[in-house]
Amino acid sequence: DVKVTQSSRYLVKRTGEKVFLECVQDMDHENMFWYRQDPGLGLRLIYFSYDVKMKEKGDIPEGYSVSREKKERFSLILESASTNQTSMYLCASSLVGLGYTFGSGTRLTVV
Amino acid sequence: DQQVKQNSPSLSVQEGRISILNCDYTNSMFDYFLWYKKYPAEGPTFLISISSIKDKNEDGRFTVFLNKSAKHLSLHIVPSQPGDSAVYFCAAKRNQGGKLIFGQGTELSVKP
Repeated sequence: DVKVTQSSRYLVKRTGEKVFLECVQDMDHENMFWYRQDPGLGLRLIYFSYDVKMKEKGDIPEGYSVSREKKERFSLILESASTNQTSMYLCASSLVGLGYTFGSGTRLTVV
Repeated sequence: DQQVKQNSPSLSVQEGRISILNCDYTNSMFDYFLWYKKYPAEGPTFLISISSIKDKNEDGRFTVFLNKSAKHLSLHIVPSQPGDSAVYFCAAKRNQGGKLIFGQGTELSVKP
């Protein structure tokens, strides 16, 4: 089974901190994605990557950046955390043309 | 601009009855549709999908119907079980490499 692992289940950070969310997949998938889930808004795409060192903006990239130095790892970076970035963050990976496999999510609270 | 819409935030159904979850989309270029199920504190898991060349796909208790002219799809769960209680997300994409666009989700509660 494909496994997508997010390094933290729960995080509490202070406003203004730089925050790193890590995601690792073990099935050599080309594509990786970061979403956030908020009540009433569903899953919204922040950034995605089709290959190493490639990144593309999703629908809500403001306040975020990403890094993909290795194929298996896709990091989401909150440059200066704000309270409106309190959310559930979900990482996913996929092969071209197929559906996604999601990680368990990271519940981030910014205080 | 919400390209995939689930207009019902919640649905409550009695165990053993049918659950029908609905999804509408606006982009006629979408050619592949999926349903994901999500329990609290877990990531979404794939449930069932349908290609735009079909109008129905069935997998056990789960059936997805696609009406391209109405840009509407629905997920039927028969019979519903308490373990089906979760949030269900509809998703769509265009072409093989396209990214998934998700709806807002519908929270299904199946009561014993």
